[in-house]
Amino acid sequence: QVQLVQSGAEVKKPGASVRVSCKASGYTFTGHYIHWVRHAPGQGLEWMGWINPHSGATDYGRKFQGWVIMTWDTSISTAYMQMSRLKSDDTAVYYCTRGNPVVSGPADRLDPWGQGTLVTVSS
Amino acid sequence: SSELSQPPSVSVFPGLTATITCSGDKLGASHVFWYQQKPGQPPVLVIYDDDKRPLGIPERFSGSNYGKTATLTISGTQSVDEADYHCQAWDSSSVVFGGGTKLTV
Repeated sequence: QVQLVQSGAEVKKPGASVRVSCKASGYTFTGHYIHWVRHAPGQGLEWMGWINPHSGATDYGRKFQGWVIMTWDTSISTAYMQMSRLKSDDTAVYYCTRGNPVVSGPADRLDPWGQGTLVTVSS
Repeated sequence: SSELSQPPSVSVFPGLTATITCSGDKLGASHVFWYQQKPGQPPVLVIYDDDKRPLGIPERFSGSNYGKTATLTISGTQSVDEADYHCQAWDSSSVVFGGGTKLTV
C-alpha cells in the first residue's frame, strides 16, 4: 500500500537549520507531487509547498519562500524539507503528503500523509 | 489567518447529524477536500472533490459545495467521529486550509 515514512523528532536552537525526510513506498515516487504541511500547537494546518519529483519544480507558500528548500532523491524514493533560521514559532509537527499525479497538475487531494515529525525550536 | 473560515468548535449528541461549514471566496472556483485528524495522528482524507468519499470512509460522511460555502455532514454521528476536521481548497497552484473545527460528540 502507499506509505510515507518520515524521520524522527528534532530539537533545535533558534537560528539553526533542520532537514526532515519522507520516504515513499507502494507507488512510483516520481509520479506524484509531494507536499509539506505543518501543524503548530493550537493552530490549523499550514501548507508550506510542493515538489514535483519528476521535474524538480517547486512551489512554496509565500511565507516560506527564501528559507525553506524542498529537494528529493529519486534513487531512494525520498523527499526532503529543509528549514533555516529557525524560530520558536516554527515549533510544529511537519507532515509530508502525496499529491496529484504530476501529469495532471498539482491541484487535487492530499492522500496519504506521513506520520509527522515534531520539530521543537527552543533555547 | 486562514483564507477559509471554519467554526472553532461544533458539538453534537451521538446519533444526530453534525454539520461543519467552511467559507471563503476561493470555494467558488475550487473543489473542496475534508480531512479528519485525531490527537497524535496525521490527517485522513474523508471527502474529496466536494462530495466524494474515498474507499473505507463510512457512508455517514458527506459533503457539498455551493457558492462560497462548503459543508461536511456526518449523519448518525458516533463517538469515534470526535476529532478535528480541516477543509482545504486550491488557489491557483497553492493549497489553502481552514482553521480547523473541533467536533465534540
